[in-house]
Amino acid sequence: GQNIDQPTEMTATEGAIVQINCTYQTSGFNGLFWYQQHAGEAPTFLSYNVLDGLEEKGRFSSFLSRSKGYSYLLLKELQMKDSASYLCATMDSNYQLIWGAGTKLIIKP
Amino acid sequence: NAGVTQTPKFQVLKTGQSMTLQCAQDMNHEYMSWYRQDPGMGLRLIHYSVGAGITDQGEVPNGYNVSRSTTEDFPLRLLSAAPSQTSVYFCASGTSYSGANVLTFGAGSRLTVL
Repeated sequence: GQNIDQPTEMTATEGAIVQINCTYQTSGFNGLFWYQQHAGEAPTFLSYNVLDGLEEKGRFSSFLSRSKGYSYLLLKELQMKDSASYLCATMDSNYQLIWGAGTKLIIKP
Repeated sequence: NAGVTQTPKFQVLKTGQSMTLQCAQDMNHEYMSWYRQDPGMGLRLIHYSVGAGITDQGEVPNGYNVSRSTTEDFPLRLLSAAPSQTSVYFCASGTSYSGANVLTFGAGSRLTVL
């Protein structure tokens, strides 16, 4: 079957670093996405990984290990505006997205 | 450049009523899709389209119809609303990024069926 797991909720402190994990089992694999979704708003694209390794974009980095079915999103120098849900999604062999339920990240001062 | 525009933002229906959620994009994207988002669950694909005149079913298509007569518009029709269709609906269009389809989402439509 197809399954994506990520923690339901995480809490971190402003200025710190947090790592949000995502594990997946899908029929075929054509890449993994991370989206950010603020409460009551639309998801917005953060990153895409199709090869193993780390992709860095400013304060955000995303890592992929295809052999382990594992990815993480690393957020550095946390700001209050980073409080949001982070959605992990994989693209299967039919190029359709399979979404995780999302990780709600709470930033405390 | 408005991106993806969805209307209405909020709607309350009675069981058995029908309605159409409108979606328009001005980015000339070939790919458009409709998702529903429910608490504790991932986004679930209802229907999608890879171009004008072409539509296909997603994971949860029952109770919904779509059409794609132009590149810009992709309306979602609820034929006979049921309480199980209470959800937040997102329209999204896609563009290529490193060979993958990156989605731009509309602001969402919150539907309550009584």
